[in-house]
Formats: sequence, structure tokens, C-alpha cells
Amino acid sequence: QQQVKQSPQSLIVQKGGISIINCAYENTAFDYFPWYQQFPGKGPALLIAIRPDVSEKKEGRFTISFNKSAKQFSLHIMDSQPGDSATYFCAALTSSNTGKLIFGQGTTLQVKP
Amino acid sequence: EAGVTQFPSHSVIEKGQTVTLRCDPISGHDNLYWYRRVMGKEIKFLLHFVKESKQDESGMPNNRFLAERTGGTYSTLKVQPAELEDSGVYFCASSQEWHLQETQYFGPGTRLLVL
Repeated sequence: QQQVKQSPQSLIVQKGGISIINCAYENTAFDYFPWYQQFPGKGPALLIAIRPDVSEKKEGRFTISFNKSAKQFSLHIMDSQPGDSATYFCAALTSSNTGKLIFGQGTTLQVKP
Repeated sequence: EAGVTQFPSHSVIEKGQTVTLRCDPISGHDNLYWYRRVMGKEIKFLLHFVKESKQDESGMPNNRFLAERTGGTYSTLKVQPAELEDSGVYFCASSQEWHLQETQYFGPGTRLLVL
């Protein structure tokens, strides 16, 4: 049973374009939603995160949009660059088990020059 | 400061053999986590140590997997005997504290292939 569903599985974007990755969840007990970025040969690294009491969080070119009623959240990468090419994972945590990250399936992003 | 390190980076073994993976967390991090990603699927939680104690081992697939963290420093994950479905990338992560917004720092992973 997939608790966090992520789409698309892969994404190709031209340099300068907007990359959008979507995630949906069912468990309303989730109350923290981090995004991780993974480059080949490296482990996932925290990119940006949001609490459900906030509808949007922006850090540089990266923005998380959060829709609590729809139980959906998304990552937007503005002005996408070839250096953004990586695998992106959304994840979720509950307050009752703060050590257990629940990940989506991952999205492989390729930004073409 | 050194990050989370894992050894080996790759391991190829035959079905029925034993493999031991090692993780060295960031110095001073009491919390250590093991995760696994099977080809193309999501990264799945295996277990969480706080110092040398197992806080949550709900994700361990079966009793062929044994995780230890003697002395609360490095951790090992042993698979015995290995099966084909154990193939995947095993990640270790560590964090200093254990609360909702605490960042988990991941190692580069061990790529295990069971033939």
C-alpha cells in the first residue's frame, strides 16, 4: 500500500522552464512534508520542507505548494537548470513517529540545455 | 565535517550467502536509520536506532535481516541468507535529534545485487 503517491515518474524540461512534481497522500496524520533531491551516486539530501498549516513555501527557485483539503502537494522548480537534473522524492512524517520517513516513488528530472 | 559513510558501496553475492553492510553516522548523531530502495520503487524505512536501542523496527522485512548498533556508534545490517528480492540500494541516515523537523542526513548507499 503506497502511502505517498508521486508523479510523474520521469520528467524532461528545457532549460529555463518550470518543473512540476506532484504528490498525494491519504493519511491525515501526516504533518510534515519534506522533499529530497538525489544526484547519481549520492544519497538523498533535504531540499525543502513544509508543514500543513502553510499553503506555500519558497526557497530560491524551489517552491512547495500544499493543498490540505485535497491532500496533495507539489514541488515547483522555476527557471530549471541542467544542474537541477536529479531524482526528487517527496516524503511525509507524522508527529507520533518522527523518525520514519514515508517516501514517494521518486521522479527523475532531466533538464535539457 | 564528514557525512554519513557506508561500506561497501557495491556488493554482488549469490542467493543463500550472507552480506553485512556498515554505516558510520555523522559524529554525535544519536539517531540512525536504515532505508532500502528496490529498483524503481519508493525508498522504504527499515528501522531506527536511538543510540544503541532499536526505537522502531517496523520496516524490517523478515528475520533474515539483523541490524545492530553496539556502543551507539556505527551500525551493521546483516542479511542472512540473502534472497533475490533483497537486491536494491540500502541507505543509512542519521540525525542529531529526534523530532518532526529534524533533518535526516543520508549516506550514498550500498548497492546490493543478489544473483
